[in-house]
Amino acid sequence: EAQVTQNPRYLITVTGKKLTVTCSQNMNHEYMSWYRQDPGLGLRQIYYSMNVEVTDKGDVPEGYKVSRKEKRNFPLILESPSPNQTSLYFCASSLTSGTTYEQYFGPGTRLTVT
Amino acid sequence: GQSLEQPSEVTAVEGAIVQINCTYQTSGFYGLSWYQQHDGGAPTFLSYNALDGLEETGRFSSFLSRSDSYGYLLLQELQMKDSASYFCAVRESDYGQNFVFGPGTRLSVLP
Repeated sequence: EAQVTQNPRYLITVTGKKLTVTCSQNMNHEYMSWYRQDPGLGLRQIYYSMNVEVTDKGDVPEGYKVSRKEKRNFPLILESPSPNQTSLYFCASSLTSGTTYEQYFGPGTRLTVT
Repeated sequence: GQSLEQPSEVTAVEGAIVQINCTYQTSGFYGLSWYQQHDGGAPTFLSYNALDGLEETGRFSSFLSRSDSYGYLLLQELQMKDSASYFCAVRESDYGQNFVFGPGTRLSVLP
């Protein structure tokens, strides 16, 4: 089954404790992206990657890091989480060719930072 | 800057037709997408318009007018399962698939 998976689905942590949210896709997509979703703000892009070892900042990259060492994986790293990073996070992937630019989203990770 | 505007809420009854509007002001424009998101779920792709006009996919249609910086999603023969949030998203750059998402419209379908 074609899918994007994220782990963990739920996470409660404390300020300053480093964490990683994993994202993996099995569709051989070149493009992967991380979004955060907050009420009334829609989805805001954190980082994206056009392919292995190619990453770039989105609209809200502060406090986050990413890496793309393999095509299928795109982990999101919070080196020192703060309460304002409490949010719902989505990973997405898509092809870089085509006509619809359809993004496939993972199930989401709900993060709470206390 | 960049901004997309959508109504925050829309309510309609089963079997009706509803239109969700989206206006945008972005630094670039290469296309407009629509996504559906049920409560507790992930966004799922509905449509993409790169050129002016109406695109129809079953009960859903999407319209774009680039000169007016405006688009809409039209849902016909509404069903209870259509109750969800709907997001428009602008593809701002011809490089990659970077999209700027609107704040979303919550559609409630009443029996």
